[in-house]
Amino acid sequence: AQSVSQHNHHVILSEAASLELGCNYSYGGTVNLFWYVQYPGQHLQLLLKYFSGDPLVKGIKGFEAEFIKSKFSFNLRKPSVQWSDTAEYFCAVNPGHRGSQGNLIFGKGTKLSVKP
Amino acid sequence: DTGVSQDPRHKITKRGQNVTFRCDPISEHNRLYWYRQTLGQGPEFLTYFQNEAQLEKSRLLSDRFSAERPKGSFSTLEIQRTEQGDSAMYLCASSRQPPPNYGYTFGSGTRLTVV
Repeated sequence: AQSVSQHNHHVILSEAASLELGCNYSYGGTVNLFWYVQYPGQHLQLLLKYFSGDPLVKGIKGFEAEFIKSKFSFNLRKPSVQWSDTAEYFCAVNPGHRGSQGNLIFGKGTKLSVKP
Repeated sequence: DTGVSQDPRHKITKRGQNVTFRCDPISEHNRLYWYRQTLGQGPEFLTYFQNEAQLEKSRLLSDRFSAERPKGSFSTLEIQRTEQGDSAMYLCASSRQPPPNYGYTFGSGTRLTVV
């Protein structure tokens, strides 16, 4: 079965530290990849997405992610985190084969706490 | 764009009771999805509609669960004879066709507690 693994359950960083959150998926075909963020008390919001083309994707709020097909990975990065980045981050995959139903398979999420 | 609305935000019910949740998607979005999220887990797909047609149901959606989208606009998710294991956040999302190029817009969810 298709699955998404997020390596870290909880990450604690100080402001200005660099961030990398791991995401691996198990699906051999074409995939569409997403990172969503959920700030405390708010709904899931799209950070960035990858469908094709440049494997380095830039999203909102200074986040970026790199798709490495050979490693089945789509890690999220940010050079310098802020206290306002405290949130839960979800990696999600949608199999991109023809006839895909469009539903997403989510990882369990990584909680990021940024200390001021 | 008023976003995806879900009602109610919270629901506490006794085991064995029936509950119904409502989702109002973004008006021009043809596709509507229901997900369930339990503590410590990411959202899990339950079912989705394209307009009024329910096109896919997850194995997670037992016979006690039913979803409708009668006019291709709002949707309802009903759980009959609730069990404690049904306690979760129920999320609705919508998107334009064809997915997923336009991304999904999620609602804030309905938190169900079964006591």
